[in-house]
Order: sequence, then C-alpha cells, then structure tokens
Amino acid sequence: GENVEQHPSTLSVQEGDSAVIKCTYSDSASNYFPWYKQELGKRPQLIIDIRSNVGEKKDQRIAVTLNKTAKHFSLHITETQPEDSAVYFCAALPGGDYKLSFGAGTTVTVRA
Amino acid sequence: GAGVSQSPSNKVTEKGKDVELRCDPISGHTALYWYRQRLGQGLEFLIYFQGNSAPDKSGLPSDRFSAERTGESVSTLTIQRTQQEDSAVYLCASRRSRMGADTQYFGPGTRLTVL
Repeated sequence: GENVEQHPSTLSVQEGDSAVIKCTYSDSASNYFPWYKQELGKRPQLIIDIRSNVGEKKDQRIAVTLNKTAKHFSLHITETQPEDSAVYFCAALPGGDYKLSFGAGTTVTVRA
Repeated sequence: GAGVSQSPSNKVTEKGKDVELRCDPISGHTALYWYRQRLGQGLEFLIYFQGNSAPDKSGLPSDRFSAERTGESVSTLTIQRTQQEDSAVYLCASRRSRMGADTQYFGPGTRLTVL
C-alpha cells in the first residue's frame, strides 16, 4: 500500500517568515494529494489539494508543489500569521484506491 | 449545506462499559471512514464503508470494536468492554464517491475518555 512520510514533525517560524513542509510517497500510482489543517481541538479541514496533472497550485498565501518523478510534494505558507499555528497533515491517494494515506503531521508554531 | 456531524461530542465512561459513537455523513456521500486520533498523534484509520458495506475493516484494533452503517447514511462505531487505551478522539469522515479526487470532509469528532 501507499506510504507517506512527512517532515519536519515540528516547525517554529517567526511571524512573517515562510514555512515549508515536505512529504514523500511510495506509490507512483498516487494522483491526488490533499493537505489538511487541524487547529487545536478542531477537526482536520482541507486547505489545498493538487492533482498529478499539475505541478503547482496557489491559493493566496499557501501553495503546493508536486514532483512526480521524485515522488514528493510540499506545502508552502508565506507571510505566516499566528492563525497559521496548527497541525498540518499531507495525504496521498493512489488512482483507483479509496483510502487516503496520511502523513504523521507537522506541528507549526508561528512566533509573534 | 450541513457538514459531517458526530455525537456525542464528549463521552466519559468507566472501564469495562460499552459505548456507541454516531456519525452523520454529508447527504449523498457514499464513502464513510472512521479514524482514531490519540492525543498529539496522527490519524489512525479504523474502517471504511462503501454504502452499507464495510470492505475494509483492517484498522479495527480488536474484536471489541465494531461498526455498522444503515440507509447509506448514519454510521455507529461501538466499543465493547472499554479499556483506558481506548481514550482518544474518534473522527468520522465522508466523501461523495470512493474513488477520484473528491474532497474528504471530517466531522468534529467524539472525545472518549475511559476512566
């Protein structure tokens, strides 16, 4: 099955700086890669996703890049704000599969 | 529209008791998933439903755990003879279809505490 590794496990950044989280996946058939944000005590919520036919996708201060050859994808948050503090999970879904494989999560802390 | 809902939001029980956790998925979503999230940990897959069938129960940790789904809608996760290690947040999620790039939506979770 698919295996997703996520790094780093914790990330502390100064407000206004950028944050980057990287994930690698094992199944070359994976074609859908969502990112979820989970604030303390809340449910995971989708913040951005990318499909395998696209190399990069942006939505305001967040962007995701995908390198299919190397089998890795990254989340980029620019101009970080205190409300970006949360746990972020990456995931991958192989084509024809029904179950997302999640990374272990990255705890992001934005220092004021 | 309404999102995924779960009840109760919190459940405190004594060791050895049985508990039932309920999930109401988004209307029309055929795929439903249960996850367990221990404090400060990641998302541990428990079971997947397609319609009312559960073709993947591989994540259920023991035979004390069971789940059912009826009417291609509501799902109930039952934990029998609860143990302290069952304490966690139990999250339900649903997707419109089982395959493809459909967004998976999570419910708010049920926080289970076993004393």
